[in-house]
Order: sequence, then C-alpha cells, then structure tokens
Amino acid sequence: NAGVTQTPKFQVLKTGQSMTLQCAQDMNHNSMYWYRQDPGMGLRLIYYSASEGTTDKGEVPNGYNVSRLNKREFSLRLESAAPSQTSVYFCASSVQGPSSGNTIYFGEGSWLTVV
Amino acid sequence: ILNVEQSPQSLHVQEGDSTNFTCSFPSSNFYALHWYRWETAKSPEALFVMTLNGDEKKKGQISATLNTKEGYSYLYIKGSQPEDSATYLCAFSGGSYIPTFGRGTSLIVHP
Repeated sequence: NAGVTQTPKFQVLKTGQSMTLQCAQDMNHNSMYWYRQDPGMGLRLIYYSASEGTTDKGEVPNGYNVSRLNKREFSLRLESAAPSQTSVYFCASSVQGPSSGNTIYFGEGSWLTVV
Repeated sequence: ILNVEQSPQSLHVQEGDSTNFTCSFPSSNFYALHWYRWETAKSPEALFVMTLNGDEKKKGQISATLNTKEGYSYLYIKGSQPEDSATYLCAFSGGSYIPTFGRGTSLIVHP
C-alpha cells in the first residue's frame, strides 16, 4: 500500500541547476498537489492539478513548473534553482478537487538544498 | 491568501496532562476544516475532516470541535502520552479556495 511516493528524498543542487521532483500516487485520486514547508511557515501550495490534464498555480508558484503526466504522476520542475528554493517539498493527492474538503494524503517529503 | 491561525505555536506538557489548541479561520464561505498530525521526519496524516457547524470528532484520546459561525476549531488531547508529540496542523477549505494550512502547533509531551 504505497500511497504517495516522491523522489528523490534528498538532493543538493548548485544555484542555476535544474531538477525535477517526481511524484506518483496509487490511490486513483483525481487531484494532486505540490507544497513546500519552510521553518516557521505552514505548508504553502506551489501548484495543484484538480484533475488529469489541468494544472493551476498555488500561493508560491514562481520559479517552478509542473506536469501532470497522467492520472498517477505529477512532477515539479525547478528550471534554475535558487537558494530561496531550499525547502522540504511534499507531494500530495486527494480524491476530489481542492475545494471539496476531502482528505489530502501526503508523500514523505523531499529535502532540497540549493547552494 | 486566507488567514488560518493556530495557537499556541508550541506547547510542552507532562505525560498525563490534557491539553488543547486552537485553529481560527475565516467565518465566511466555509466548506471544511481539517486537522492533521505531523511527526518529525514523517508526512502529515489526516486526523479529522469537519464540514458542519457544531461537528465533533473523536479518535482515541483526541477530539475536535468546530464553530463555523465564529471561525474556530479546538483540538483536545486527553491524558497526553509521549507518542502524542507531534506538530498538529489545521487546514481551512472555503467554497472556491484551495485548502490553506496554518503554521501548526508543536506539542512535546515529557515523560
């Protein structure tokens, strides 16, 4: 029972490098999300996909792009990493769209450091 | 950006103490209020989803109440145990809004 799986778990990048965080869920959920967690801050939404084929910006989208590859997979790309993007990234999914009030299931997090 | 506030920011209690913390959120356009438990080095796990004013939920020694008219929810832990140590997050969903998370209350239960 894998739930939400994200990779890599840890990554160190140099400023200006690019990378993609991968996420997959096996719960047949329609909606998927990418959050970032910073010290003293709540979880902040970067992008979400309410259903396959759609993506929308969240609270902090600048510097990121996403791809909803299929119903299972939702990737987050940093095109040119900056130290301000050092954070813990969580992928998540839910049965229905973000405004439906349904439970969100989280992956285990990806620790990204940009030097 | 919606304002979801949690208090206190952190809490230290002794084993066996009962404790509670608060989540406040906008009182208009309410859809749902979520509580999550987040242990260090793990991912947040859902505790409760509440959608109706006056909802009360219970899971073991943890319970939650909801007042949508005044915009607050309480989470109670009766007889805290060291394994209850975690950060407790609330998240507010409005009718057309994405769930917005509070910054969490960090609970440490000392044996």
